Amino acid sequence: DAKTTQPPSMDCAEGRAANLPCNHSTISGNEYVYWYRQIHSQGPQYIIHGLKNNETNEMASLIITEDRKSSTLILPHATLRDTAVYYCIVRAAGGTSYGKLTFGQGTILTVHP
Amino acid sequence: EPEVTQTPSHQVTQMGQEVILHCVPISNHLYFYWYRQILGQKVEFLVSFYNNEISEKSEIFDDQFSVERPDGSNFTLKIRSTKLEDSAMYFCASSEARNYEQYFGPGTRLTVT
Repeated sequence: DAKTTQPPSMDCAEGRAANLPCNHSTISGNEYVYWYRQIHSQGPQYIIHGLKNNETNEMASLIITEDRKSSTLILPHATLRDTAVYYCIVRAAGGTSYGKLTFGQGTILTVHP
Repeated sequence: EPEVTQTPSHQVTQMGQEVILHCVPISNHLYFYWYRQILGQKVEFLVSFYNNEISEKSEIFDDQFSVERPDGSNFTLKIRSTKLEDSAMYFCASSEARNYEQYFGPGTRLTVT
């Protein structure tokens, strides 16, 4: 699976949009971009994923650049409860992969009042 | 909303003892996973399980570890002879299909003394 690079930490004011970047310059054509988050020591929580089109769900939006070498997770109206570590993970679909997720260090997002 | 459950939430054991960690995956899911997270470190993949057999495992998952699906609902991780370095949070996850999003349980904190 391709390697990802994320900033170690970011701050955001409550009520504002949080935009979390991720670089995955070596991504290949069959690899998806997944975002998970981990609040304190809880289990990682799935947020969203995409292949090449932008995606939106009730939690967030995912913007993937046309060349697929980077993406941005957008939390449109951040709340204090969104303070967490956010992980960008690239994972192959099919092939020899059985779904293993490879977590990096992620971005610690702190939402301030 | 269906969720993955894990028991116990905290297990304390002495070095050399066997422990079994329990997970109940989401009921219609077919793929099951164990991950661990040593305090302050990354979430690490241990093993994936499908159709009653291991489909993929990491280097961490040595002969001391085993997994089992003893009935239609439970999924267990056994550590035969625990070591101090096995102290960690252990997360179970499940997914509906092979490269679909995974849903994680709240974790079991294992403390080996």
